[in-house]
Amino acid sequence: SSELTQDPAVSVALGQTVRITCQGDSLRSYYASWYQQKPGQAPVLVIYGKNNRPSGIPDRFSGSSSGNTASLTITGAQAEDEADYYCNSRDSSGNHPQVFGGGTKLTVL
Amino acid sequence: EVQLVESGGGLVQPGRSLRLSCAASGFTFDDYAMHWVRQAPGKGLEWVSGISWNSGSIGYADSVKGRFTISRDNAKNSLYLQMNSLRAEDTALYYCAKEGLLNWPLDYWGQGTLVTVSS
Repeated sequence: SSELTQDPAVSVALGQTVRITCQGDSLRSYYASWYQQKPGQAPVLVIYGKNNRPSGIPDRFSGSSSGNTASLTITGAQAEDEADYYCNSRDSSGNHPQVFGGGTKLTVL
Repeated sequence: EVQLVESGGGLVQPGRSLRLSCAASGFTFDDYAMHWVRQAPGKGLEWVSGISWNSGSIGYADSVKGRFTISRDNAKNSLYLQMNSLRAEDTALYYCAKEGLLNWPLDYWGQGTLVTVSS
């Protein structure tokens, strides 16, 4: 099956912009989805498709993609954005419909 | 309101079996693919298994293939995961997730059910 690679940890100053990246071969064929997970809570979808936000997700969250790399950008990070972020996509190999990245711990300073 | 409620987790000895259930409501269940995703304590998300709306397409992670079986009952709006030959490394919080139609995101998640495999 394919793999998605994320940096384990990223930090950002309050109010600044941060980009979290995700690399993998499957991203050449499929868009990434991004999930936010806070301690003790289930993951929440924040970005999917080319750059779509589910209802209720602030517009400071955006997504982009180029080649085998997908990015989640938070413009004007807030304290409540501190969380783990996971990318995922369809899997272009074999019969594994979905694959996840290892996650990025975002710290807001 | 979409709701996914998992059940069936618990403490089980290595080698034994467990069946997880996910009760879905708030959407037309038989229109959507469904998935199981797990998270070991302190670790990241791992996709476990997925099933299409009509059970015609099913997939498993290599780590569970041959031991776990996913199924669904559209008449009961329910998703299941039969887990056999459980191992310590299967210890995790198991989430049920709904797959969206556009670009296949997992757009709704349950709160999870904890499976602990230990003697």
